[in-house]
Amino acid sequence: DAKTTQPNSMESNEEEPVHLPCNHSTISGTDYIHWYRQLPSQGPEYVIHGLTSNVNNRMASLAIAEDRKSSTLILHRATLRDAAVYYCILRDDGSGNTGKLIFGQGTTLQVKP
Amino acid sequence: EAGVAQSPRYKIIEKRQSVAFWCNPISGHATLYWYQQILGQGPKLLIQFQNNGVVDDSQLPKDRFSAERLKGVDSTLKIQPAKLEDSAVYLCASNLQGGTDTQYFGPGTRLTVL
Repeated sequence: DAKTTQPNSMESNEEEPVHLPCNHSTISGTDYIHWYRQLPSQGPEYVIHGLTSNVNNRMASLAIAEDRKSSTLILHRATLRDAAVYYCILRDDGSGNTGKLIFGQGTTLQVKP
Repeated sequence: EAGVAQSPRYKIIEKRQSVAFWCNPISGHATLYWYQQILGQGPKLLIQFQNNGVVDDSQLPKDRFSAERLKGVDSTLKIQPAKLEDSAVYLCASNLQGGTDTQYFGPGTRLTVL
């Protein structure tokens, strides 16, 4: 399974945008880029995923580099409730695959008031 | 819609004792996952079920860990006997059919082995 590299930690101020980077230089053509986050004392929750094009949903935006070797999760206005560990995960979503998620260390995001 | 339910939320046991965790997935979800999350690390998949069959248990320490999902709905994960290094949060997740579907996680059970 392809691996990702993320900074261990980042800080942000409340109500400012946050850009969380992820490098995945060995990504294959069938790997989707998934982001999950884990709030304190909770299980992970889905944030967003994409293959090649940039994606937006109510929680965040995902910007994917043209060569797909890196991506950035964008929180447009960070709130205190966005303080969490953010995981960037590559998953081969081709048919016949089990869909298991392989988590790395993630990025711990601190949001300051 | 109710989320993934897990119990107990916390458990403290002595080493060499046995312990069991229970998970009830979201209604209608065919696929169920058990993950182990050691403090400071990301979750690691232990076992994946599709209905009541095992899809992947390659990371399950089978000499002491066992899991079942007899009726294809709720599941039990057991550790017998427990070791100090089993101290972790045990997370259950489910999704509709595995594959490309989003996984929904429960709150986890925090196990402390003394």
